Amino acid sequence: DGGITQSPKYLFRKEGQNVTLSCEQNLNHDAMYWYRQDPGQGLRLIYYSQIVNDFQKGDIAEGYSVSREKKESFPLTVTSAQKNPTAFYLCASSNQGGSPEAFFGQGTRLTVV
Amino acid sequence: EDKVVQSPLSLVVHEGDTVTLNCSYEVTNFRSLLWYKQEKKAPTFLFMLTSSGIEKKSGRLSSILDKKELSSILNITATQTGDSAIYLCAVRGGSNYKLTFGKGTLLTVNP
Repeated sequence: DGGITQSPKYLFRKEGQNVTLSCEQNLNHDAMYWYRQDPGQGLRLIYYSQIVNDFQKGDIAEGYSVSREKKESFPLTVTSAQKNPTAFYLCASSNQGGSPEAFFGQGTRLTVV
Repeated sequence: EDKVVQSPLSLVVHEGDTVTLNCSYEVTNFRSLLWYKQEKKAPTFLFMLTSSGIEKKSGRLSSILDKKELSSILNITATQTGDSAIYLCAVRGGSNYKLTFGKGTLLTVNP
């Protein structure tokens, strides 16, 4: 089945550690996105990528890094520089044309312990 | 910076009521406005409105885009408990396909 797969679903991190969240899509979509969701905050854009080997910062990129080496993969690293990383992280993808609505993965809940 | 504002932030109604959710936006070179429903984890797509498609309807849900007022409404008639969710509005503008979301409206439908 076509879709977006995020892993893991739950992740616990010790303070000072970097962690990487995985996002893979087999929809052949060009664009991919990472959002962070906190209670009452809606979805805030961290990074997005329109094509392979290119990505742009969103509204809250500080403390995060991404790579886009393959069309189907867009991993997000939460670094130790992110002061408040506990949140729900959503990955999405969309086409450049046709029906450009974004499709979402099931999310990763990251907790700092 | 693109901006999306949704209101109200939360709403509690009884089954059978009709609700109207609001979304206003500021975006450079508007391309489309999208509505999503989020029940548990992944938001699911409801509607996309563009300059060439300003009204959409699906069952009890409908949405209208007001390009002059830079806003959109999502109507839900004869609400059911299964409509309880967060409803998210997003806009896409410019040439970079950046998708910006509002904070969402938490709708609770009581039996």
